[in-house]
Amino acid sequence: DGGITQSPKYLFRKEGQNVTLSCEQNLNHDAMYWYRQDPGQGLRLIYYSQIVNDFQKGDIAEGYSVSREKKESFPLTVTSAQKNPTAFYLCASNRQGTTEAFFGQGTRLTVV
Amino acid sequence: QKEVEQNSGPLSVPEGAIASLNCTYSDRGSQSFFWYRQYSGKSPELIMSIYSNGDKEDGRFTAQLNKASQYVSLLIRDSQPSDSATYLCAVNGYNQGGKLIFGQGTELSVKP
Repeated sequence: DGGITQSPKYLFRKEGQNVTLSCEQNLNHDAMYWYRQDPGQGLRLIYYSQIVNDFQKGDIAEGYSVSREKKESFPLTVTSAQKNPTAFYLCASNRQGTTEAFFGQGTRLTVV
Repeated sequence: QKEVEQNSGPLSVPEGAIASLNCTYSDRGSQSFFWYRQYSGKSPELIMSIYSNGDKEDGRFTAQLNKASQYVSLLIRDSQPSDSATYLCAVNGYNQGGKLIFGQGTELSVKP
């Protein structure tokens, strides 16, 4: 089945640690996105990538890093520089030239 | 002023009634408009997209767009308890590639 797979579903991190969230898609979509959602809030864009080996900062990129070495994969690293990392992280993708975005099931990150 | 604004709710309607959800946006050049449904703890699911002025119907859902007034709405006819969720309005601005800006969402509760 085609889709977007995020892993893990739940992730716990100690303060000061870096963690990497996985996002894989088999839809052959060119563009991929990372959003963050806080309770009762909408989604805010962290990073996005429209082609392999290229990505741009979104509105809240500080404390995060990404890579796009393969079309199918767009991992997000939450670094220790991110002051408030506890949130629901959502990966999305769409075909080049379209704006309809489809989401993975999300990763809920909690700092303990 | 927020770029995409929604009433946070909660909006409560009886089963069988029409639920009306509204969204306003600030970028007059915006070209694509979307409604996502998000159940508690889950990721957003695309339910409607609209690109031109007027109404677009899909089953019990109708999206309405008025670019002159910069608002987009979602009507849900014959509301069911299973429609209880948060509805997110998303807008693709002018020359923004596939990036979406989300409102904070409106929580809908359909009472049996």
